[in-house]
Amino acid sequence: AAGVIQSPRHLIKEKRETATLKCYPIPRHDTVYWYQQGPGQDPQFLISFYEKMQSDKGSIPDRFSAQQFSDYHSELNMSSLELGDSALYFCASSQGQFNSPLHFGNGTRLTVT
Amino acid sequence: GESVGLHLPTLSVQEGDNSIINCAYSNSASDYFIWYKQESGKGPQFIIDIRSNMDKRQGQRVTVLLNKTVKHLSLQIAATQPGDSAVYFCAENIDGTSGTYKYIFGTGTRLKVLA
Repeated sequence: AAGVIQSPRHLIKEKRETATLKCYPIPRHDTVYWYQQGPGQDPQFLISFYEKMQSDKGSIPDRFSAQQFSDYHSELNMSSLELGDSALYFCASSQGQFNSPLHFGNGTRLTVT
Repeated sequence: GESVGLHLPTLSVQEGDNSIINCAYSNSASDYFIWYKQESGKGPQFIIDIRSNMDKRQGQRVTVLLNKTVKHLSLQIAATQPGDSAVYFCAENIDGTSGTYKYIFGTGTRLKVLA
């Protein structure tokens, strides 16, 4: 069965650089979520989209932005990277927002040096 | 506030025994909960879910119990196997903003299965 695809798998950037993470949801899933997970921590909700519109915002820095495109894929743009942005970034998709399980990709490991 | 937390950060269980992982949630209005399993280097994997109109749901070797009175959720794994070693998270579906919903994760519990 098709799963959530994230790219790249690994990304190394320097401070103050920009990064773009991509997410391709499961076909027919209309909702995409982005989470950030630090080492040994639980996933922290960043932002979500439903039917290409921003649905909800969590602890996402102003330096980050995201969008969902017409084909439902999503991109997380991160600018002025800081060392503290080093983390695993997960995308998840679901069919609808309410009482529908999230299916996660295997994440992008971002390392900022 | 919105928070979902776990009582035990690490749980060591003998292979073949049953495991119980607990989770406390704070939002009494939450009506949908999910347990996830996360192995090293992978994304969280859906295990089982439960809606608030139920107090128990069973899957293959797993059972989730929901006690709304004390806002407590537990995951029971029967006959724990080495492949069950992972970090387990509970997640709560709560009202976001403007009628939307989001999932809040609790602190994970690391399950170690001893041979």
